Amino acid sequence: GNSVTQMEGPVTLSEEAFLTINCTYTATGYPSLFWYVQYPGEGLQLLLKATKADDKGSNKGFEATYRKETTSFHLEKGSVQVSDSAVYFCALRRKDYNKLIFGAGTRLAVHP
Amino acid sequence: KAGVTQTPRYLIKTRGQQVTLSCSPISGHRSVSWYQQTPGQGLQFLFEYFSETQRNKGNFPGRFSGRQFSNSRSEMNVSTLELGDSALYLCASSLDGPDTQYFGPGTRLTVL
Repeated sequence: GNSVTQMEGPVTLSEEAFLTINCTYTATGYPSLFWYVQYPGEGLQLLLKATKADDKGSNKGFEATYRKETTSFHLEKGSVQVSDSAVYFCALRRKDYNKLIFGAGTRLAVHP
Repeated sequence: KAGVTQTPRYLIKTRGQQVTLSCSPISGHRSVSWYQQTPGQGLQFLFEYFSETQRNKGNFPGRFSGRQFSNSRSEMNVSTLELGDSALYLCASSLDGPDTQYFGPGTRLTVL
């Protein structure tokens, strides 16, 4: 079946540190891949996406590359800010089926 | 363009009651999906509506139902509430077919 596995949190970093949140997936075919972010008390915001192998999604300094050979979509940011503190969700969606399958989420805490 | 709106934002009910949640999609979006978020199960897909028809359904009991109106607004109903139905219910809209989904702020349901 289709599934997403994320690294467990919480991830605690100092401001300006480098961030990596690992995400691997299992899927039939070639799904689209997404990162969503959830701030306290809010819904999910789309952070970035990639729809085919080797695509790189990027937004607000965050990046992730669709790696078919390792079935991964790791999230990276070169220099985190306190305002990046949130829960990050990796998700996949089959091309023919409008249903998102989410990972468990990774909580990020950034300290000044 | 206005985002996805959900009403009410917070709801408290008692066991055995029923509840209706409402979602207004982004203007022009015809697909509305519903997700349940709980600490134990994470984010799980409930169902998707497109052009007033349920197109996809997750693994939830029949107590969970929904509908979509001609203006694409959607409602979700849960009958005979159980304590385990306490969750954040998120609505997401997308243009047409498998497409990027944009989420609302959610409705926090507490069942006492």
